[in-house]
Amino acid sequence: GQNIDQPTEMTATEGAIVQINCTYQTSGFNGLFWYQQHAGEAPTFLSYNVLDGLEEKGRFSSFLSRSKGYSYLLLKELQMKDSASYLCAVRDGDYKLSFGAGTTVTVRA
Amino acid sequence: GAVVSQHPSRVICKSGTSVKIECRSLDFQATTMFWYRQFPKQSLMLMATSNEGSKATYEQGVEKDKFLINHASLTLSTLTVTSAHPEDSSFYICSASNVDSWTEAFFGQGTRLTVV
Repeated sequence: GQNIDQPTEMTATEGAIVQINCTYQTSGFNGLFWYQQHAGEAPTFLSYNVLDGLEEKGRFSSFLSRSKGYSYLLLKELQMKDSASYLCAVRDGDYKLSFGAGTTVTVRA
Repeated sequence: GAVVSQHPSRVICKSGTSVKIECRSLDFQATTMFWYRQFPKQSLMLMATSNEGSKATYEQGVEKDKFLINHASLTLSTLTVTSAHPEDSSFYICSASNVDSWTEAFFGQGTRLTVV
């Protein structure tokens, strides 16, 4: 199976920046995804990385290093609505998507 | 963007009955769909991979006779939970990928199943 690790919880202040790290070990690699999930809802796509480097999308950026099996999601100018679970997911050589346990981010005023 | 529709969003059933959940790709053809289960405060666990026109591939520990998957067309996959028990109560989510664009995996809205 796949091994995907990310921190369980993070807390930050409104307006601040938070970085969520994800490390992975998979058999084959066809991309890394970040999703946002609010309680009781389905995940919402945030970003996709398949090549090394940084992908920026507004307040959210995602970085990938394939050689290190490492990614991070950077959330800037945090807003209260950003309080959610953030899921790191890796697509393996069979194109199956495996998820990390998720990082619960709490944004405080 | 592409849309995946899942129905029903919530269902309550009696123990021992069967429940069918539908997953439709609305504006693209999905040769492959995935079914996940998520228990409270846990991450999504892949149950099975559904391939159009062929048998589903189940993950280890998932009973194929209990969770029946049918992918009869390029836009529809169904998951039937047979002889449901309270421990099957969970959040079931499908996802689909467009083979022409692998940069996203689109998720349905999810189905909250409660077995009483």
